[in-house]
Amino acid sequence: DAKTTQPTSMDCAEGRAANLPCNHSTISGNEYVYWYRQIHSQGPQYIIHGLKNNETNEMASLIITEDRKSSTLILPHATLRDTAVYYCIVSRYGGSQGNLIFGKGTKLSVKP
Amino acid sequence: NAGVTQTPKFQVLKTGQSMTLQCAQDMNHEYMSWYRQDPGMGLRLIHYSVGAGITDQGEVPNGYNVSRSTTEDFPLRLLSAAPSQTSVYFCASSRSSGRYWETQYFGPGTRLLVL
Repeated sequence: DAKTTQPTSMDCAEGRAANLPCNHSTISGNEYVYWYRQIHSQGPQYIIHGLKNNETNEMASLIITEDRKSSTLILPHATLRDTAVYYCIVSRYGGSQGNLIFGKGTKLSVKP
Repeated sequence: NAGVTQTPKFQVLKTGQSMTLQCAQDMNHEYMSWYRQDPGMGLRLIHYSVGAGITDQGEVPNGYNVSRSTTEDFPLRLLSAAPSQTSVYFCASSRSSGRYWETQYFGPGTRLLVL
């Protein structure tokens, strides 16, 4: 599975959009981009995933560049409860065994 | 649905003791796994299972055993606890769509301290 690079930390003002970048320059054609988040040492929570098209759900939007070497997770109106560590993971759709490889992620701090 | 449950929430062991961390899910998921998370680090895969009777090693399997006798339960056994196994342990489960594994659901974690 391809590796990912994320900034260590980011700040965002409450009510503004939070844009979290992720680089995955070695991604292969059958690999998806997943985003999970972990709030205050709770179990990680799935946010969104995509292959090549932009995706949106009730939590966030995922923008994947045309060459698929990077992506951005967008939280459109960040709240204090969105303060968490966000993990960008590249894997075949769940992988043949469903395994996910977590890096250190980006610590997002939403400030009032 | 209770989702993925883990017991105990917190445990203190002495070096050399053994114990079993319990994980159960009520979603009829075929895939289950165990991760550990050390302070300031991401999660690392210990063992996983793609169905009852089938288990395999992940990235950091040494010192741990697993078994999967039922779809619902996936216990993690520490054979002889060491201080290096002090960590937070997360269990996760996922279902198969037939061609691929879907979103993983994580339990609340077990915090283990080995003295």
